Amino acid sequence: DAGVIQSPRHEVTEMGQEVTLRCKPISGHDYLFWYRQTMMRGLELLIYFNNNVPIDDSGMPEDRFSAKMPNASFSTLKIQPSEPRDSAVYFCASRAGLTGNEQFFGPGTRLTVL
Amino acid sequence: AQKVTQAQTEISVVEKEDVTLDCVYETRDTTYYLFWYKQPPSGELVFLIRRNSFDEQNEISGRYSWNFQKSTSSFNFTITASQVVDSAVYFCALSEGYTGRRALTFGSGTRLQVQP
Repeated sequence: DAGVIQSPRHEVTEMGQEVTLRCKPISGHDYLFWYRQTMMRGLELLIYFNNNVPIDDSGMPEDRFSAKMPNASFSTLKIQPSEPRDSAVYFCASRAGLTGNEQFFGPGTRLTVL
Repeated sequence: AQKVTQAQTEISVVEKEDVTLDCVYETRDTTYYLFWYKQPPSGELVFLIRRNSFDEQNEISGRYSWNFQKSTSSFNFTITASQVVDSAVYFCALSEGYTGRRALTFGSGTRLQVQP
């Protein structure tokens, strides 16, 4: 079975542009998580979904960030407008069932906003 | 609120040395789960182990071993006879059980450099 798939792997954009990151979780996993990794803040949760419903979006920085999960096999994280401080690696992860189960991470999207 | 502290920012050892990575956690939940992830230079996050709060039995997997002590809220990770391929950033993480946060709260990571 394929792991978590993220696209694009790298994205370079200019300030003010819209950025859309995509994630396909592992088939059968009912939890999907978006994390961001920066040097200053480390790995931090942005939002997570259970059965396509957003459960905790307290980590979403501001209104410029939005996330959707239209179906069980696809999620997007959108930044509009993007700013240089959004430069980071964005990870998507998925998990099956119980809280104690491990999360499987995608390879990440490295975003650079100029 | 939950918190994970990895006080060691960076550790450098010579190949074949043993090394222990420390992890201290805080949580109000009585049911919680602890994890270790490895992030090699290539950048992906690789799951290593999980432990639930009811199981304090230590675990050994090859050269890796984990020591979970609820009394000190610690979940330390030891690599025996380290190898260059062990060079990576290692993250300890926590998720809470029934009433707390189900996502992972990560520590700041410990960068391990194994010199040949």
